[in-house]
Amino acid sequence: DTEVTQTPKHLVMGMTNKKSLKCEQHMGHRAMYWYKQKAKKPPELMFVYSYEKLSINESVPSRFSPECPNSSLLNLHLHALQPEDSALYLCASSQVWLAGVYYEQYFGPGTRLTVT
Amino acid sequence: KNEVEQSPQNLTAQEGEFITINCSYSVGISALHWLQQHPGGGIVSLFMLSSGKKKHGRLIATINIQEKHSSLHITASHPRDSAVYICAVRGIQGAQKLVFGQGTRLTINP
Repeated sequence: DTEVTQTPKHLVMGMTNKKSLKCEQHMGHRAMYWYKQKAKKPPELMFVYSYEKLSINESVPSRFSPECPNSSLLNLHLHALQPEDSALYLCASSQVWLAGVYYEQYFGPGTRLTVT
Repeated sequence: KNEVEQSPQNLTAQEGEFITINCSYSVGISALHWLQQHPGGGIVSLFMLSSGKKKHGRLIATINIQEKHSSLHITASHPRDSAVYICAVRGIQGAQKLVFGQGTRLTINP
C-alpha cells in the first residue's frame, strides 16, 4: 500500500469556523508533511513531523495548528482563517532522512479549502 | 532569482513528439526529484536522482551534478501525459525540505 489518503476532498468554511484536515498513511513512514499550494504555484512547505514530533515549522500563522497523534495520522486544525488561506492543502509522507540516504515523498490527493 | 528554475514554463506539443523539460538549480543538493501533478490533483513522484540517469517506461530523467542541471524526457508523448511537471531539490543542509521549481505545464494534443 503506497497510498496517502486525505479527508475531506473539499472544504468550505467561514472565517469564524473551526475545522480539521486529516491525513493517513500505512506505509510505516515516520516523516509527515503539510504543504499549501495556491493555483498555478508550486507547493509551499508548512510543517514537517519526524517520529511524531514537530521538526520544521515554516513560520506558519498560529491559525494553522498541526497535530500528529500517532505514526499513521497527521491532522491540521484550522481556526479563524482568512480568505487568502484558500488553497489546496497537500499531505505527504516519507521515510525519515538518514545521513546520506534520501527517500521519496508520497503525496496525498489534497484537500481543496475555500474560506468565505 | 529562484534557487530552482525550470524551462519552459509552458509547452504544447503534438501526440508522439519527444518532450524535454529542463531544471537548473543554484545550490548544492543531495537529491533531485521530478514530480507530476494532474489538474486539480495530488502529486506523483516520478524520479529521485542524485547522479546519472533513470528510466521508467517512456520517461527518462538525467542529472549533471557539475552543471547543476537536470532534464526530464518523455518519448512518444500521449495526451495523458498532459500535466504540470515539477522539479524539486533536496539541499545538503536542509535534507528534510524540498525546494520546488515553478513547474512546467505540458499539454499534448491528439
